[in-house]
This record gives sequence, C-alpha cells and structure tokens, in this order.
Amino acid sequence: AQKVTQAQTEISVVEKEDVTLDCVYETRDTTYYLFWYKQPPSGELVFLIRRNSFDEQNEISGRYSWNFQKSTSSFNFTITASQVVDSAVYFCALSERYSGYALNFGKGTSLLVTP
Amino acid sequence: GAVVSQHPSWVICKSGTSVKIECRSLDFQATTMFWYRQFPKQSLMLMATSNEGSKATYEQGVEKDKFLINHASLTLSTLTVTSAHPEDSSFYICSALAGGSYNEQFFGPGTRLTVL
Repeated sequence: AQKVTQAQTEISVVEKEDVTLDCVYETRDTTYYLFWYKQPPSGELVFLIRRNSFDEQNEISGRYSWNFQKSTSSFNFTITASQVVDSAVYFCALSERYSGYALNFGKGTSLLVTP
Repeated sequence: GAVVSQHPSWVICKSGTSVKIECRSLDFQATTMFWYRQFPKQSLMLMATSNEGSKATYEQGVEKDKFLINHASLTLSTLTVTSAHPEDSSFYICSALAGGSYNEQFFGPGTRLTVL
C-alpha cells in the first residue's frame, strides 16, 4: 500500500505564480518524520525540509513554506512567486521508527515553471 | 551538513558483467545505510538496509544474490550488481543514517548504471 501519496503528477505554472504541492501520508507509528526533496534533471536529491511527528509548526524558508497537519495526515509544500529554477521533480517522503527510518517516497510531482 | 559520496557517478557495462558501487560517509560514521533504486520517471524505491557488521535486509522482490551488499566499516557500504542485465539499468542512490537523537539521513549523489 502506498504510504505517501502525491496526487499531482505534473504541475505547470507561469513564473511568479504560487504553487502548492500536496502530500498525504499514512502511518501507524507515533514517531515518524516527513521530508521534502527536490530532484533536478541531474538526479541528485536536494534536501528541503524534515519535520518530526511531534512538531506541527508550519515552517517558512524564503519562498518555501510547509503546512503540516496531523489531523488530515498532510504535509503540503508551497512555493511562493515561483521561478524557472524551481522546475524539478519534488518528492515527499515518510520515515518511520519501526522500519528503521528508511524513507518511503511518494511518486513525485513534476513541476514546470515557464517564463 | 554531512557528506555522502558515491563512486562511480555513472557506469556503462556489458550484459553479464558485475558492477560495484561504493557509498561513503565522509565526515560521520553510519551504522546504517540504505540503498534505493530509481527507474526513469519513477520514484525512489528502497532496495535494502545495510547495517555495519551484519547481513543486509532486503525489501520484498529484491534478489539478494543479485544485489550483494557489504557494509564492512562504519563509513563504507558497497552494492554489487552481479551479472547485470539491461533491466538493471537504473539510478542507484545510497543514504547514510547519522544516528543520534535526530536520525538525520544524508543522500549520496547517485550512480547511473547503464547495461548494454
């Protein structure tokens, strides 16, 4: 069963638009971590954020923000004023204590930002 | 942040040959390393969990005799693809678990394997 669902396969926006990438997760563990990674065409994973299950505070980092809601098992990612350099595939991932903290990735959302 | 290296970054080999990929944690010790595989336009899938000094734990569907994992030291894990075939062509990425109270995980840059 898919533990991390990224329902949006592809999103296309025009530069300067805001865009939200959705992530819904499923776990029975009480201690878990949620992540977002960016994967540009080069393939290397770029770490964006890690959130533990005990910290529901939303976070903002520059143009990036994350909304963690345990009540809906969601960890959504918003890019404000998108730029062409934001074009990449974005993965949401779940890490659980009972599985030794290996990452369970969603299928990814391919974001294309056009000028 | 901590650095994890992988070598080689890319490799092309003939069908039937074996390929070894190294994953090193450069500035920290990692008792646990993970190996993931990513086929084109797909997500990353966990192949196996590598623990220093013990046998690796493989995910369902991953052939342990084909993908040999050795974690001989706290900074090095190797993945050997034995008798590689074109269907093994993929992007292989390792990660190292830093441990401690935060259990931070750091990824290597990946190895692109092409089997002709």
